[in-house]
Amino acid sequence: NAGVTQTPKFRVLKTGQSMTLLCAQDMNHEYMYWYRQDPGMGLRLIHYSVGEGTTAKGEVPDGYNVSRLKKQNFLLGLESAAPSQTSVYFCASRPTGANEKLFFGSGTQLSVL
Amino acid sequence: AQSVTQPDIHITVSEGASLELRCNYSYGATPYLFWYVQSPGQGLQLLLKYFSGDTLVQGIKGFEAEFKRSQSSFNLRKPSVHWSDAAEYFCAVFLSGGYQKVTFGTGTKLQVIP
Repeated sequence: NAGVTQTPKFRVLKTGQSMTLLCAQDMNHEYMYWYRQDPGMGLRLIHYSVGEGTTAKGEVPDGYNVSRLKKQNFLLGLESAAPSQTSVYFCASRPTGANEKLFFGSGTQLSVL
Repeated sequence: AQSVTQPDIHITVSEGASLELRCNYSYGATPYLFWYVQSPGQGLQLLLKYFSGDTLVQGIKGFEAEFKRSQSSFNLRKPSVHWSDAAEYFCAVFLSGGYQKVTFGTGTKLQVIP
């Protein structure tokens, strides 16, 4: 049982390049989330999804797009990367119960030069 | 809008001393509250959670937290800190209803000295 898998684990981009981060979960969870973690700022919610085919904006959605075409996958896209998007990105999923915990991936370290 | 505040960015305690990490939330209804821990270079692990009932909840690794509605707080405590507790701790709140968002505080980094 793999849980939540993020790919890639590390990536370096040049300003203006695009890329997609993939999050896959094998626990049949309805809810999936993308966070970015920056020193002193905790985890900030970028986008989230409450089910296949649905997405919603979080606290810091600008510069990112997401898609949830399949229940098990949640993709985070950067169309034109900027240095301000240098961060560690975490994907998480959870069941639908309000008191359910988040299951986290191991993170993606992204540097934009 | 819901929010979570962790007023202490960094705390240093001696091994064996007691610990209290503060968390305050802003939310109209009774929230679902969580504490997570992140060891260096790792993902986040759930320590404990509160959603109803007893206001004192027990978690893993000897941690506990107390929900105080009057103070909008959910502080994390441990009676005797071990060196392995050095990590970053995050308080989080789940907003139910139509949103299903989980919002995190900015974190408190715990340093344990011998």
